[in-house]
Amino acid sequence: NAGVTQTPKFQVLKTGQSMTLQCAQDMNHEYMSWYRQDPGMGLRLIHYSVGAGITDQGEVPNGYNVSRSTTEDFPLRLLSAAPSQTSVYFCATVGGRDYGYTFGSGTRLTVV
Amino acid sequence: ILNVEQSPQSLHVQEGDSTNFTCSFPSSNFYALHWYRWETAKSPEALFVMTLNGDEKKKGRISATLNTKEGYSYLYIKGSQPEDSATYLCAFKGPNSGYALNFGKGTSLLVTP
Repeated sequence: NAGVTQTPKFQVLKTGQSMTLQCAQDMNHEYMSWYRQDPGMGLRLIHYSVGAGITDQGEVPNGYNVSRSTTEDFPLRLLSAAPSQTSVYFCATVGGRDYGYTFGSGTRLTVV
Repeated sequence: ILNVEQSPQSLHVQEGDSTNFTCSFPSSNFYALHWYRWETAKSPEALFVMTLNGDEKKKGRISATLNTKEGYSYLYIKGSQPEDSATYLCAFKGPNSGYALNFGKGTSLLVTP
């Protein structure tokens, strides 16, 4: 039972490049989300989805795009990477409002 | 953006010591309070989800209490062990925030032998 799988684990990008962070879950959860973790700050919500075909913005959505074509997958796209997007990114899913989140293993992204 | 504060920011205790940390959150419009344990190089793992005022939950040597009227939760670790070294995150959910959580910055605990 894999839970939440994130790829890649590490990535270095040049400013202006684009890339997609992948997130897949096998828990059949409707809710999926992307957070970023920066030093000295709490996890901040980027985008989330409450089901296939439905996405919405979180606290820090600028520079990121998402789509949800299936229940299992929720990719995060960086359209034109900037150094300010250097961070650790976590995908998370939850089965209901009274349950704890299950997090992926994270992607450490550096933009130079 | 809802303000969730955790204190202390970091803590260093000796093996066998008991310790506790605090999470403060808005006392109005409360739905749930989460605690997560986050070990270095791993992903956060859920410890507790608390929804009722006066809730007390326990998992092994770790327990948590909740006071929604005054807006705080305590996490206790009894007889700390080196394997308890981690960052402990709390996260607040309001009734209108759907599934989204507002996370605190965490308390970093180091337990030395």
